[in-house]
Amino acid sequence: SQTIHQWPATLVQPVGSPLSLECTVEGTSNPNLYWYRQAAGRGLQLLFYSVGIGQISSEVPQNLSASRPQDRQFILSSKKLLLSDSGFYLCAWSVRGQGRPYEQYFGPGTRLTVT
Amino acid sequence: AQTVTQSQPEMSVQEAETVTLSCTYDTSESDYYLFWYKQPPSRQMILVIRQEAYKQQNATENRFSVNFQKAAKSFSLKISDSQLGDAAMYFCAYRSAKTSYDKVIFGPGTSLSVIP
Repeated sequence: SQTIHQWPATLVQPVGSPLSLECTVEGTSNPNLYWYRQAAGRGLQLLFYSVGIGQISSEVPQNLSASRPQDRQFILSSKKLLLSDSGFYLCAWSVRGQGRPYEQYFGPGTRLTVT
Repeated sequence: AQTVTQSQPEMSVQEAETVTLSCTYDTSESDYYLFWYKQPPSRQMILVIRQEAYKQQNATENRFSVNFQKAAKSFSLKISDSQLGDAAMYFCAYRSAKTSYDKVIFGPGTSLSVIP
């Protein structure tokens, strides 16, 4: 069966510090991968998605970046965190291509607090 | 562009009663998927139910069922025999069936409280 991992689970970082959040998927190949941010009590904002190694699409201009160095690894980074980067970050994966259905499966999330 | 609207920011239901959460969407496509996700206080997103637009029959998963009205672009979720564990944020979501389009559009969510 497929599983998705995210770490760390919780992170407190000062403004201006770098960020690296990691997401890995097991039990599947060539997945689509996604990074979402969720502010407290709010909906999901798609940040990045990837359909393959090195292929990243950005949805929202910001000081965050994403990379996909391996097929089942997705990393969210920042060189300098802002207070507004605080939130709950969710990684998700879905089947790519012709397979139906196309729902997304989510990791447990990372709660980031920028102080 | 596709949009998903959930007009009820908050809902409440008595334990063992039935509640319906509303969702409407806007699209010009004819083939797509619709989903309901649940996010409990743990914040783990869980898929509750899915509906394929080409299927006229409403999807059902145990106590959860949907009322899919394609012409009206409406996709409501009915929870029967509500339980305390049903308390969560519920998100309606849309995805195009085009294989080149890989994004899911989420609604803003409805917070459901279950009253003992």
